[in-house]
Amino acid sequence: KNQVEQSPQSLIILEGKNCTLQCNYTVSPFSNLRWYKQDTGRGPVSLTIMTFSENTKSNGRYTATLDADTKQSSLHITASQLSDSASYICVVSDRGSTLGRLYFGRGTQLTVWP
Amino acid sequence: EADIYQTPRYLVIGTGKKITLECSQTMGHDKMYWYQQDPGMELHLIHYSYGVNSTEKGDLSSESTVSRIRTEHFPLTLESARPSHTSQYLCASSETGIYNEQFFGPGTRLTVL
Repeated sequence: KNQVEQSPQSLIILEGKNCTLQCNYTVSPFSNLRWYKQDTGRGPVSLTIMTFSENTKSNGRYTATLDADTKQSSLHITASQLSDSASYICVVSDRGSTLGRLYFGRGTQLTVWP
Repeated sequence: EADIYQTPRYLVIGTGKKITLECSQTMGHDKMYWYQQDPGMELHLIHYSYGVNSTEKGDLSSESTVSRIRTEHFPLTLESARPSHTSQYLCASSETGIYNEQFFGPGTRLTVL
């Protein structure tokens, strides 16, 4: 069964600190992995995308890694800001269908305190 | 910010009412999707469309129906709302191609009393 598991479920950090969010998946055949940020009451917004051959991808203070062998990904946030408070969702796409089926994790709820 | 819009943003209605959730995108995307999301849970695909006059059911069984008469418009209808339909409904669109990002609307928070 194709699944995406994220940890931790929730995380509280102080402003300015770094944090790392984890994502493990069993989706096969693998196409790509995205990290989305979802603010409360809003739709998800893509932060990064990685395909099978990519190990690291950065977008400002966000750095995502991918280990396709162990089927693990992480999202590292550097020098956190209050606006980083949101749910971060790991989304894996398979290449077994023309739709490009997406499998969603439940997200990590990040809270940044001043 | 993506050019995909959903109305209403919030809706509270009584059981048995018919409702239509609107979704429009101005990006000319062929593919559109409807997802259902409960608090703290993952998004579940309930409907999708490859283009005009194309609609398919997603992975999560839903009593809602959709239509795609125009490329930019993908409304979702519930003929008779029930409390079990209370949820957040997210619309998304993407270009054709498996690497293409799905752009999400802001969602409609539906509460059925």
